[in-house]
Amino acid sequence: KAGVTQTPRYLIKTRGQQVTLSCSPISGHRSVSWYQQTPGQGLQFLFEYFSETQRNKGNFPGRFSGRQFSNSRSEMNVSTLELGDSALYLCASSSGQADTEAFFGQGTRLTVV
Amino acid sequence: QQQVKQSPQSLIVQKGGISIINCAYENTAFDYFPWYQQFPGKGPALLIAIRPDVSEKKEGRFTISFNKSAKQFSLHIMDSQPGDSATYFCAASIGGFQKLVFGTGTRLLVSP
Repeated sequence: KAGVTQTPRYLIKTRGQQVTLSCSPISGHRSVSWYQQTPGQGLQFLFEYFSETQRNKGNFPGRFSGRQFSNSRSEMNVSTLELGDSALYLCASSSGQADTEAFFGQGTRLTVV
Repeated sequence: QQQVKQSPQSLIVQKGGISIINCAYENTAFDYFPWYQQFPGKGPALLIAIRPDVSEKKEGRFTISFNKSAKQFSLHIMDSQPGDSATYFCAASIGGFQKLVFGTGTRLLVSP
């Protein structure tokens, strides 16, 4: 079956702009988690959505937000972009039940200039 | 606050050798410890995972050793191959895959 699809793969934005990233989970999966990966901070958890509800949240400012649609697709939005937001944003999908694996997409590489 | 410490930062191993990567955690509530492998341009992929009621788990050439009292766990890659050259991340969570806390990563290079 198809894997996790993230679009776009690459994005260049200007400081102060906002950006929306998209994640289509594996068919049948209801949980989508977002992670930020940077060379300095590594992989950090942003938030998790399950059945259209935010179930877990990491320690990121309110500029980072997300949502999940009824078909389990998820979007992540970052407003008022800062240079430090440049990162690889990864989405992971799972069934949402304990002991089930989370599968990562290839990520969206965001560069803020 | 870094809750999972990983070492070494980089590792060079000869083909056929054993690669060992170590992690230590602080939060005793963690009950799930996976290892991920990441190749350039790809997302992390689950290699193997363990829960604290087991001291060792082996899958093929990959073994996790877990020491609950020391709050440490490690990944051993036996008979390391050039194709194993990648970045490896340990992680920990409470209850499963949904909110993983990752280590800082180890860049492994297996020389031919």
